Amino acid sequence: GQNIDQPTEMTATEGAIVQINCTYQTSGFNGLFWYQQHAGEAPTFLSYNVLDGLEEKGRFSSFLSRSKGYSYLLLKELQMKDSASYLCAVRGKDSSYKLIFGSGTRLLVRP
Amino acid sequence: DSGVTQTPKHLITATGQRVTLRCSPRSGDLSVYWYQQSLDQGLQFLIQYYNGEERAKGNILERFSAQQFPDLHSELNLSSLELGDSALYFCASSVSGSDSDEQFFGPGTRLTVL
Repeated sequence: GQNIDQPTEMTATEGAIVQINCTYQTSGFNGLFWYQQHAGEAPTFLSYNVLDGLEEKGRFSSFLSRSKGYSYLLLKELQMKDSASYLCAVRGKDSSYKLIFGSGTRLLVRP
Repeated sequence: DSGVTQTPKHLITATGQRVTLRCSPRSGDLSVYWYQQSLDQGLQFLIQYYNGEERAKGNILERFSAQQFPDLHSELNLSSLELGDSALYFCASSVSGSDSDEQFFGPGTRLTVL
């Protein structure tokens, strides 16, 4: 079976750092993606991890541990515009490249 | 702007009806994916096409069907609509040339079934 878990909601303060966790159990693993989605809009790509370790991209970083089935997205220097849902998605090991998404974490950034 | 276009943006229809959603992938992308997102739900994978051929199927109902045409645009057909089919339907495209292939999402079609 395939299961991806993320917290439903998180709240943080402008300027702070927040870590959004994702755990997964999938039949095969071929990469983990993080997407940002503002309400009613299309998801936009944030990061991709396939090897263990940290990938840094400006204010956003993503970490992966394949042995633990665990990833996190780290957002630094939070801005009000970072209020959005953050979707963790796993690509299985088949030929389709389809993504299995978690339910998403709704992040609210307060002044 | 991701380069993926979807029409229409909004669609309101009645139960029992049939609708067609259209998607044009980014130039050069061969793969098209369809996802359904109901209120407060995650993205549910429906179906994928690659260069005109069906490649993968997710939790797609039998009342739903899709196809990808020679010009690579895709259509998702939803029939015998029910209230529970009300959702955002996203199309995404990718090159499908490598494992790190990210998917680019279109703006979505919001379907409301009354």
